[in-house]
Amino acid sequence: AQTVTQSQPEMSVQEAETVTLSCTYDTSESNYYLFWYKQPPSRQMILVIRQEAYKQQNATENRFSVNFQKAAKSFSLKISDSQLGDTAMYFCAFSTGQGGSEKLVFGKGTKLTVNP
Amino acid sequence: DTGVSQDPRHKITKRGQNVTFRCDPISEHNRLYWYRQTLGQGPEFLTYFQNEAQLEKSRLLSDRFSAERPKGSFSTLEIQRTEQGDSAMYLCASSTGTFGKLFFGSGTQLSVL
Repeated sequence: AQTVTQSQPEMSVQEAETVTLSCTYDTSESNYYLFWYKQPPSRQMILVIRQEAYKQQNATENRFSVNFQKAAKSFSLKISDSQLGDTAMYFCAFSTGQGGSEKLVFGKGTKLTVNP
Repeated sequence: DTGVSQDPRHKITKRGQNVTFRCDPISEHNRLYWYRQTLGQGPEFLTYFQNEAQLEKSRLLSDRFSAERPKGSFSTLEIQRTEQGDSAMYLCASSTGTFGKLFFGSGTQLSVL
């Protein structure tokens, strides 16, 4: 069974600074997908960034980037120039894509607070 | 694109009652997912539809749970004989076909007293 572990229950950062959220996962599959989702107080989960395991290049989306270490099964999220609107729960998620299903396995989340 | 809509936003019920939640996905999305999220946890997969066909169900989905998606449009999730352990946020998501890019609704928060 696949598992996703987020070891930081809570983190805080000053506005405009950089923060890194950690995620590790466990799988025996060779090909899979990794994601970071954001859940603000409005409760609506929003995809932040996705990474396909067969791609060696780390994904980036504007101020968000990942450090994907396949051998270490590590997938951290870096948020640059943090903004107040980045305050949210961040969930790391994994999917094998078997059968075309986008069934995601989520970690427990990291609560990020951006302070003014 | 009006987003994924879930109704009701909150539901309070007594143990043993039946409840039904509705999800309206983004209109052109053929994939629809239900997840459950309890306090302090990430969402857990419950079930998945492609059009009207229910293709996968989690072991979490006991016999008291049933989901439908008639005509491949909206979906309903019914819980019969609710138990206190059913208290959770029930999230619906639909998919564009860009793998893993799920659009989530704001969820239905269920409290079983």
